[in-house]
Amino acid sequence: AQRVTQPEKLLSVFKGAPVELKCNYSYSGSPELFWYVQYSRQRLQLLLRHISRESIKGFTADLNKGETSFHLKKPFAQEEDSAMYYCALSGFPGAGSYQLTFGKGTKLSVIP
Amino acid sequence: KAGVTQTPRYLIKTRGQQVTLSCSPISGHRSVSWYQQTPGQGLQFLFEYFSETQRNKGNFPGRFSGRQFSNSRSEMNVSTLELGDSALYLCASSSGTIIREQYFGPGTRLTVT
Repeated sequence: AQRVTQPEKLLSVFKGAPVELKCNYSYSGSPELFWYVQYSRQRLQLLLRHISRESIKGFTADLNKGETSFHLKKPFAQEEDSAMYYCALSGFPGAGSYQLTFGKGTKLSVIP
Repeated sequence: KAGVTQTPRYLIKTRGQQVTLSCSPISGHRSVSWYQQTPGQGLQFLFEYFSETQRNKGNFPGRFSGRQFSNSRSEMNVSTLELGDSALYLCASSSGTIIREQYFGPGTRLTVT
């Protein structure tokens, strides 16, 4: 079974402080991992994917297979980063076909 | 390209009724997935359709069902509504046979009274 765990439901940081949103996964194969973001009153949208190794809006995430983690980081938080963040894994659940499994999300609140 | 659209955006129903929600994927996308989003449980996977066939199903009771049409549009139906079915129902579309990134619609807010 594939599983994604986001241990923090809520994370509050001050503007300008570093941010780290934690994500751990459980999957027997080689996963593809994503971070999705949902700003207030907007639809859920893809933030970044691990295979691209890109930085979007100052956020980066590195896949650590040894620790089965895919933490999202940003060196200096901005107020506009306040949103709900979901970690997601694309994998084969053993039956059917590939499936995208989401964590329960972390609400990031950036304090001015 | 136009994004994923969902209708209706808001719906109020009473217990015991049934409801049908509609989703139009991005043009060219053949995979449509449905999720239930609640504050307590986050995003829970309902089912996924690809080329009119259900490929994956989440852990929801049989009251939740869906279908996909030849133009990739999808509907989900919930029969015998319960108060706990109140949620935001999200539809997402994906282009390939292997689901990687998904594009989400704005959701349908269902309130059951």
